[in-house]
Amino acid sequence: AQKVTQAQTEISVVEKEDVTLDCVYETRDTTYYLFWYKQPPSGELVFLIRRNSFDEQNEISGRYSWNFQKSTSSFNFTITASQVVDSAVYFCALSDFMNRDDKIIFGKGTRLHILP
Amino acid sequence: DTEVTQTPKHLVMGMTNKKSLKCEQHMGHRAMYWYKQKAKKPPELMFVYSYEKLSINESVPSRFSPECPNSSLLNLHLHALQPEDSALYLCASSQVVARRYEQYFGPGTRLTVT
Repeated sequence: AQKVTQAQTEISVVEKEDVTLDCVYETRDTTYYLFWYKQPPSGELVFLIRRNSFDEQNEISGRYSWNFQKSTSSFNFTITASQVVDSAVYFCALSDFMNRDDKIIFGKGTRLHILP
Repeated sequence: DTEVTQTPKHLVMGMTNKKSLKCEQHMGHRAMYWYKQKAKKPPELMFVYSYEKLSINESVPSRFSPECPNSSLLNLHLHALQPEDSALYLCASSQVVARRYEQYFGPGTRLTVT
């Protein structure tokens, strides 16, 4: 069965600190895609990254970085030098080919508070 | 441009009303989705349209009726809703179905059923 676990329900850090959001996934498929989305208080889900199961290279985009480790089925997300605008709910998600079409399995989300 | 627009932003309706939610994208995407999101929960898939045809209906009650008049537009018709249907309704689109491309979401319609 497919599953995405975000064990951290809520995290608070002071601005400029680094913070890592954990994501652990389960799938029996060998080909799958992982995603991170950000949902600020306004409600819109903002796409951050898509990574396929054959590409284990870590990715960096500005202050954001992602660490994909197949051996531990984890796809963690780090924000460096956090800012108040990073306050949001962050969802990790999985889509494999055992699911119909493009059904995304979302984790429950991690609510991140960046304190000024 | 990765914009998906949704109207209205907020909607309050009685249980006997009929209303519609509208979603539009001009990215040339051929897959469009409706999600429902309750507070402090992840989005739940309701419907998927692929090339303007309904591809997935996640056992959604018939009081929700989707429609895809063309490749840019997606509607959700609402009739005889219940208070528990109050939620954020999100529309999304992606390039095509079945390739696991990322989905781009609209800002949502916050629906309150009284």
